Amino acid sequence: GQNIDQPTEMTATEGAIVQINCTYQTSGFNGLFWYQQHAGEAPTFLSYNVLDGLEEKGRFSSFLSRSKGYSYLLLKELQMKDSASYLCAAQGQKDDKIIFGKGTRLHILP
Amino acid sequence: DGGITQSPKYLFRKEGQNVTLSCEQNLNHDAMYWYRQDPGQGLRLIYYSQIVNDFQKGDIAEGYSVSREKKESFPLTVTSAQKNPTAFYLCASRESRGITDTQYFGPGTRLTVL
Repeated sequence: GQNIDQPTEMTATEGAIVQINCTYQTSGFNGLFWYQQHAGEAPTFLSYNVLDGLEEKGRFSSFLSRSKGYSYLLLKELQMKDSASYLCAAQGQKDDKIIFGKGTRLHILP
Repeated sequence: DGGITQSPKYLFRKEGQNVTLSCEQNLNHDAMYWYRQDPGQGLRLIYYSQIVNDFQKGDIAEGYSVSREKKESFPLTVTSAQKNPTAFYLCASRESRGITDTQYFGPGTRLTVL
């Protein structure tokens, strides 16, 4: 079967660092996406990992371990505008099917 | 201006009526997707299409139908057979280039069935 797990909610302080974890089980695996979604809006693309390791893009970094079925999104120097839901999504190997987790709602405190 | 458009942003229909949601992209992407999102939930895949004139069911295809007659367009019809059609519907297209891959979303259509 296919399953993607991530925490439902997290809280962090402005200026701090937060790590949002995602574990996945899919029938075949090609790559992993992270998206940010503000309330009432469509998701926006943050990152895509297909190789093991850490990829950094400014304040956001994403990590993948294919052998462990595990990824995380790291947000540094948190800002109030980072308050949003963060969605993890896995792409199957044989086709273009992309399945999403339920998302992690991140609350930033001043 | 390139991107994905969905219209309308808000749609109201009476129970028992079919309704078609539009999705158009001018990004020249082959793959397109339809997702549904319910309050406080993640995205659930309804249908996806890898190429013109071909599409596959996602995890919750019952009560929905799609067509892909043109590369730019992937309309979704919500039929009267869909038991709980009120939701936020998101269309996406995808660009895949080996180790880089990006999925872009349209602004979404909020469907309310009265």
